Amino acid sequence: DAKTTQPTSMDCAEGRAANLPCNHSTISGNEYVYWYRQIHSQGPQYIIHGLKNNETNEMASLIITEDRKSSTLILPHATLRDTAVYYCIVDRQGAQKLVFGQGTRLTINP
Amino acid sequence: SQTIHQWPATLVQPVGSPLSLECTVEGTSNPNLYWYRQAAGRGLQLLFYSVGIGQISSEVPQNLSASRPQDRQFILSSKKLLLSDSGFYLCAWSLGREGGEQFFGPGTRLTVL
Repeated sequence: DAKTTQPTSMDCAEGRAANLPCNHSTISGNEYVYWYRQIHSQGPQYIIHGLKNNETNEMASLIITEDRKSSTLILPHATLRDTAVYYCIVDRQGAQKLVFGQGTRLTINP
Repeated sequence: SQTIHQWPATLVQPVGSPLSLECTVEGTSNPNLYWYRQAAGRGLQLLFYSVGIGQISSEVPQNLSASRPQDRQFILSSKKLLLSDSGFYLCAWSLGREGGEQFFGPGTRLTVL
């Protein structure tokens, strides 16, 4: 059972910031928010995860609302290679099983 | 650094034939191992996961089975393939204490005819 809701698809212009939303209104206190992406015909790639503080790494930033019921993944300067399906997943750190929903199909346009 | 290998990359098999897909991980010890399947245009479905040698948990009843004969080897098998077994099969690993970060292999695209 997916615990998250994401838009089916989004478009973004190359060079602009891509902001991907995710709703997780039933998140528990010990659950993290994980983001993965899957480029066509490849395996999923881990991007970032967080508990309640905003996180940033070399790939993206993760903004989690104060009530933790939603989050946004930000790709600051999208490139054509960022075209992929992006999955938002909620689960405990150390949990054995990740449940992948349908994700958001992000298309970066030149 | 850790790497994960899957083979073959593509496979075409007739209905009723057996299947054996292999996954190996290098550069880590006692990983959690996972098999996922992705049907065409669909999301990822967890099939099996393993927290140690000989320990297999099945998530979905089906005609597939998994085995873990060695610490870093995970095998997906079937005695008789069905048309519905076609899909993109992905192996992944994680460390138990950081289970949310899973690292995926390149996948095997299986077509059953």
